[in-house]
Amino acid sequence: EPEVTQTPSHQVTQMGQEVILRCVPISNHLYFYWYRQILGQKVEFLVSFYNNEISEKSEIFDDQFSVERPDGSNFTLKIRSTKLEDSAMYFCASSRETEQYFGPGTRLTVT
Amino acid sequence: AQSVTQLGSHVSVSEGALVLLRCNYSSSVPPYLFWYVQYPNQGLQLLLKYTSAATLVKGINGFEAEFKKSETSFHLTKPSAHMSDAAEYFCAVRRQDNYGQNFVFGPGTRLSVLP
Repeated sequence: EPEVTQTPSHQVTQMGQEVILRCVPISNHLYFYWYRQILGQKVEFLVSFYNNEISEKSEIFDDQFSVERPDGSNFTLKIRSTKLEDSAMYFCASSRETEQYFGPGTRLTVT
Repeated sequence: AQSVTQLGSHVSVSEGALVLLRCNYSSSVPPYLFWYVQYPNQGLQLLLKYTSAATLVKGINGFEAEFKKSETSFHLTKPSAHMSDAAEYFCAVRRQDNYGQNFVFGPGTRLSVLP
């Protein structure tokens, strides 16, 4: 069964550094998303992407964040200058119609 | 706008007992509703979904949920808890009229199953 994959599974970075989190959505899906989950808290929406552009973003998704679909398969989330409070689990998801399928997540630790 | 509340951040049941996890939503348009499960250090797995067909929805692992429009609820149940059901459960809502719209998640309920 097709699934969403994410790399790396765990990323440790120093404050102020740039990170790129990578996702490979399910191949025939049209909509792509990033969510984050700070430890012990709920899953929060960051951004959705459709037809090669951002369709919706939350207030969390400020100028430090960007997304890209550089080719036909990858979907990336970049954080330009990481802050301690960016430490969280980041989930990629994709959908074609009703439900979203989530990847296993990347745990980002900012030190 | 949509929102989701889940009553009880932590629910404990004995093995073999009924599981009831509560979810209430608000939505200005007809919603799609979902339950996801998250096992420790893992991603979100879809348990079941309501997409305006049958109001009683059956999912994986013996779970089911009933959509009650009058109560704006979508509670998750399982007749007999198993130790492997211990996990975090999230209810989520999304508009029906926009396939691309993001999910809004509830705060989650941690289910513990006691031997």
